[in-house]
Order: sequence, then structure tokens, then C-alpha cells
Amino acid sequence: DSGVTQTPKHLITATGQRVTLRCSPRSGDLSVYWYQQSLDQGLQFLIQYYNGEERAKGNILERFSAQQFPDLHSELNLSSLELGDSALYFCATTRVTDTQYFGPGTRLTVL
Amino acid sequence: DQQVKQNSPSLSVQEGRISILNCDYTNSMFDYFLWYKKYPAEGPTFLISISSIKDKNEDGRFTVFLNKSAKHLSLHIVPSQPGDSAVYFCAALGGGADGLTFGKGTHLIIQP
Repeated sequence: DSGVTQTPKHLITATGQRVTLRCSPRSGDLSVYWYQQSLDQGLQFLIQYYNGEERAKGNILERFSAQQFPDLHSELNLSSLELGDSALYFCATTRVTDTQYFGPGTRLTVL
Repeated sequence: DQQVKQNSPSLSVQEGRISILNCDYTNSMFDYFLWYKKYPAEGPTFLISISSIKDKNEDGRFTVFLNKSAKHLSLHIVPSQPGDSAVYFCAALGGGADGLTFGKGTHLIIQP
């Protein structure tokens, strides 16, 4: 158990809908990273927040956004969902910029 | 373009023998490398890391070797155990990228 929690574990929704994925970091971790794992692309970095502020962006679509709250939990918002957005979404947290510890993931299925 | 490559999609090793997983990278600005282990339907679990200023790091049965001139790293598991059967991901940090850059993974199968 990494100490990073993610909810929900599974999410099934329809195309065009909007969903929110939640990540709670390990105690003391200020930085949250979001990753998408799809069958064809592997694990890809989406976005990073550090202590409430956006720090870096990776391959994140404009339909996706994230935020980090004062209690340091983070939410990833996915809107106008398409079939191709079906994937595993992981968050990872770290104190500074060293080893990232991953949560168990949210499996998103878009029908 | 894939900056971190794991060219073996799968590897089968007998229990008790050494497992060697390989990883190549192209971005010379990467300065920190990590190995993660992943079971189906779970998040990646951190195994071991190495900074670019070192060429070897050991932690129990796991040893990571880094050859900067060849842009190559490897993970050695000795002795291999049945519980080691999983997908192993090589990841790199730095090089202007702020998140981890992952390889596609190698599925390690430990045979009894």
C-alpha cells in the first residue's frame, strides 16, 4: 500500500459526459501527478500540481483539467468524453521531485 | 518518438535464477531513473531508483545498473521468486520533462 488513495475504483459512463476523478496524497506529499494508461500509448504523464498550483503539463487534452485543493487532494476532470478516453488513470505523489508513489488507479470505461 | 524503450515485451525465467530486464533511453538529459512493478488492476509499485551520478544501486534482491555512455540501464533480480511475476516498467525523470517518461513495460514470468 503506497498510502495514495484514488476514488472511484471504476467508472462507467457514456460519450459526451463529464467525470471527476479524485486523488488523496500520502501525508506530507505536496506534489500530485496524473497519468493515463491506455493499451496503445502506455503510461503517459498528463499534468502536475505542486502545493495547489499547476507546475507542468504533459500530453493532456484541452477537454481535461485538474486542480489541487488546500488540503492537497487533487481532482482530474474529464469532459466531453470519447470512446478513446477509456483507460486507467493514476495519480502519483511525492514530497519534492524524487520518487513518485502511485495510487491504485481509476478504471474509466466510456460506452 | 519513444524516449524510453523496453524492447522485450516479455521474459520467462526459472525460479531461483537471475532475471535481467533491460531499458534504453535516448534523451541524454534524463538524470534519474526508476523501476516500477505492476500487477493487473493495481498501480505501479516503486522498486528501486538510480541517479545519473551513480552506476549501480542495490536493494536486497534488486540491483539497477546504469551505463550512461550507452544510455542503457538494467534491473537484476536475484534470486527470482514466483511473486516477481508482473509487468516491470522503466521510467526516467529530467530532460525537460516534468513527469515520468515510461517505457512500454516487460512482462516477467517466473516459472517453477
